[in-house]
Amino acid sequence: DAGVTQSPTHLIKTRGQQVTLRCSPISGHKSVSWYQQVLGQGPQFIFQYYEKEERGRGNFPDRFSARQFPNYSSELNVNALLLGDSALYLCASSLEAKETEAFFGQGTRLTVV
Amino acid sequence: QKEVEQNSGPLSVPEGAIASLNCTYSDRVSQSFFWYRQYSGKSPELIMSIYSNGDKEDGRFTAQLNKASQYVSLLIRDSQPSDSATYLCAAHMWRALTFGSGTRLQVQP
Repeated sequence: DAGVTQSPTHLIKTRGQQVTLRCSPISGHKSVSWYQQVLGQGPQFIFQYYEKEERGRGNFPDRFSARQFPNYSSELNVNALLLGDSALYLCASSLEAKETEAFFGQGTRLTVV
Repeated sequence: QKEVEQNSGPLSVPEGAIASLNCTYSDRVSQSFFWYRQYSGKSPELIMSIYSNGDKEDGRFTAQLNKASQYVSLLIRDSQPSDSATYLCAAHMWRALTFGSGTRLQVQP
């Protein structure tokens, strides 16, 4: 079975640009969450989606947005990129929106220059 | 006060020894706790989940939970050089996982 897949794996963008990151969850999983991990820190929660609805939002600016599609895949969009947005962006897949196990994809390494 | 706290390490143990990793959390409402292993440059990999007080064993790994003390630990028996990684403790809080900053484990051959 395929695990969580994310694309692209690496990305370099210029300040002020916009970026879209993609995630496909494990087959049968209906919940997708997005996390940002900067070097030396644990992942920080950005969004959770379940059944195409936003179920939770972390402490991130409105430049960050996301959506979930009918096939449960998800996109994370970041507008007006700042240097501080450089990080590893992780997608986590879980069966439900409740306190179940979450499995991470390989991540997208975003570098803003 | 951080919501999930871990000693950043590095924790250095000889090959074959028991590695003990500790974590405390602030939210008494939290019911689910997880340990992830993260190799340098890679994404976190789930290795243990624990939901009730006591011990949970899976192979060389044992997770321990004490909700009264708000304390979670991970024991790795017969540590191998391949166990060298950063171990992240996570608690489920308010619809999301809250992570500690991780403990770096070094297993010396």
